[in-house]
Amino acid sequence: GENVEQHPSTLSVQEGDSAVIKCTYSDSASNYFPWYKQELGKGPQLIIDIRSNVGEKKDQRIAVTLNKTAKHFSLHITETQPEDSAVYFCAASIGASGTYKYIFGTGTRLKVLA
Amino acid sequence: DVKVTQSSRYLVKRTGEKVFLECVQDMDHENMFWYRQDPGLGLRLIYFSYDVKMKEKGDIPEGYSVSREKKERFSLILESASTNQTSMYLCASINSAGTGDFGPGTRLLVL
Repeated sequence: GENVEQHPSTLSVQEGDSAVIKCTYSDSASNYFPWYKQELGKGPQLIIDIRSNVGEKKDQRIAVTLNKTAKHFSLHITETQPEDSAVYFCAASIGASGTYKYIFGTGTRLKVLA
Repeated sequence: DVKVTQSSRYLVKRTGEKVFLECVQDMDHENMFWYRQDPGLGLRLIYFSYDVKMKEKGDIPEGYSVSREKKERFSLILESASTNQTSMYLCASINSAGTGDFGPGTRLLVL
């Protein structure tokens, strides 16, 4: 069945450094790729997303890249800050367009060391 | 911003009890989802609904049912709670463009 692999499972970076989280998906029909940030005790919050007709999207310190040929997409956080510490989940849409069903990666715990 | 609320943050129930988890969104979204989140397994889809009275099974529907009597409210029901249903339950609300957010989650402990 469809799946999304996410790496690494944990990531520690020094404050100010960059962090990169990578995901690979299996469903060729996937066309929407959101990223969620989950802080301790809270539900996941959408932080950025990208659609299949775009190769890169940036929002301040956060960027996402998509390589449809290789079925890879990545989250890039620059100039990391302690408040970026959280668990990050990637997701890929599955099934027909408009179904809004997503399959999630298993998460990356990011620690930003002050 | 979408506001998605869940009826309880923490619940403790006993094996065999009937459990109701409620989710309410205030943005008139058609699409609502119930996931459970377990360490090392990520988020897994239990049930979803694209409209009032409509429901579809997700990847792990066994032991669960849902109800969508009103557009803003999507309820998850555990007919007879079991210990393997101890988990974090997350509700999500998605708009017609496919974007949305999750509620704060309900951490359920079944003893």
